Amino acid sequence: RKEVEQDPGPFNVPEGATVAFNCTYSNSASQSFFWYRQDCRKEPKLLMSVYSSGNEDGRFTAQLNRASQYISLLIRDSKLSDSATYLCVVNMDSSYKLIFGSGTRLLVRP
Amino acid sequence: DAGVIQSPRHEVTEMGQEVTLRCKPISGHNSLFWYRQTMMRGLELLIYFNNNVPIDDSGMPEDRFSAKMPNASFSTLKIQPSEPRDSAVYFCASSFGLAADTQYFGPGTRLTVL
Repeated sequence: RKEVEQDPGPFNVPEGATVAFNCTYSNSASQSFFWYRQDCRKEPKLLMSVYSSGNEDGRFTAQLNRASQYISLLIRDSKLSDSATYLCVVNMDSSYKLIFGSGTRLLVRP
Repeated sequence: DAGVIQSPRHEVTEMGQEVTLRCKPISGHNSLFWYRQTMMRGLELLIYFNNNVPIDDSGMPEDRFSAKMPNASFSTLKIQPSEPRDSAVYFCASSFGLAADTQYFGPGTRLTVL
């Protein structure tokens, strides 16, 4: 079983739609969780951290369910510029090592 | 502020040749990471340096791969001899301290080994 699993997609949605991605992780001792965004042929960039209480940044909402070991990302009012691959990232022991999921591809169409 | 700088951005070489990838981390960052990204395996950590010292090289695939960090502002990843299966995008990332959530990635080097 992979340490971090994501549905590869693609999720193809119209502008203005709400879309949600889930990610599951295998290690119950995992400490920190993040969503990174990667545009085509570009480097990954931190989108947001995921806190136990859930957190929101504009149109983006991230949630953590430790009991079920999954993380979610909700994007409201999708924009064309949201088209990218979203990487679920887990840190196992609060040190340096990040485990990246293989990513979920989002395509927002006009 | 300049981000992480990598060179070259693209490299095409023939099997058996030596390849050297270069990275300049963000000034003031004391942690440096080399990653490899492929369609099949995703993003994998190859090696991690802290204060110029290699801390974890367990991700280095084999002896053909080596990495150095002679000072705080420069690191190299060398592949000798290169093989077609080494074709991938190689990213360098840096961060300040040990915080895992502040890794800043460079633009990557797209390596093709023929």
